[in-house]
Amino acid sequence: EADIYQTPRYLVIGTGKKITLECSQTMGHDKMYWYQQDPGMELHLIHYSYGVNSTEKGDLSSESTVSRIRTEHFPLTLESARPSHTSQYLCASSPLAGGPEEQYFGPGTRLTVT
Amino acid sequence: GENVEQHPSTLSVQEGDSAVIKCTYSDSASNYFPWYKQELGKRPQLIIDIRSNVGEKKDQRIAVTLNKTAKHFSLHITETQPEDSAVYFCAASIGMNTGNQFYFGTGTSLTVIP
Repeated sequence: EADIYQTPRYLVIGTGKKITLECSQTMGHDKMYWYQQDPGMELHLIHYSYGVNSTEKGDLSSESTVSRIRTEHFPLTLESARPSHTSQYLCASSPLAGGPEEQYFGPGTRLTVT
Repeated sequence: GENVEQHPSTLSVQEGDSAVIKCTYSDSASNYFPWYKQELGKRPQLIIDIRSNVGEKKDQRIAVTLNKTAKHFSLHITETQPEDSAVYFCAASIGMNTGNQFYFGTGTSLTVIP
């Protein structure tokens, strides 16, 4: 079934650690996004990508990096985790051209930095 | 860039009553306006969307209206039920083939009182 998958779903990690949040989609979508969201609060765009080898920064990108080597895979890396990174991270995808452009979200990764 | 404002931030209604959530946007080039419902601990799910060439769209108990001149759009839920309780996000997007971002509102927490 076409979907968006995120791993891990929950992560508790110490300050200063490097972490990578995984996102994969089998929707066949070109565009992918990473959002940070505190529970029930607004979504903040961190990074997005139009396709392979394309990455763009959003509002909260300064402390993280992304890569897009394969269409279906869009990992997010925090080089040095801090308590302020504690939040939920949502990955999303949408088609680039043609058809409805609705955005589909993954289940999220809930990150706690101690 | 685009700025989307959403009101109210919280809304409580009695079961069976109607609920209305309003959003305004700043960029007249925005042409796609989705609404997402996010239940506690779950991912945002698209519930209805509207494009700039349409003034109103309805799907059972849910409807969305768009006023391009005033740059505002609204979500209308009729005959509310307890399962409608969730956080609702509006969004605005520009274009389909170019690097369009989704600009989200700050969310409305809807509580339907049985």
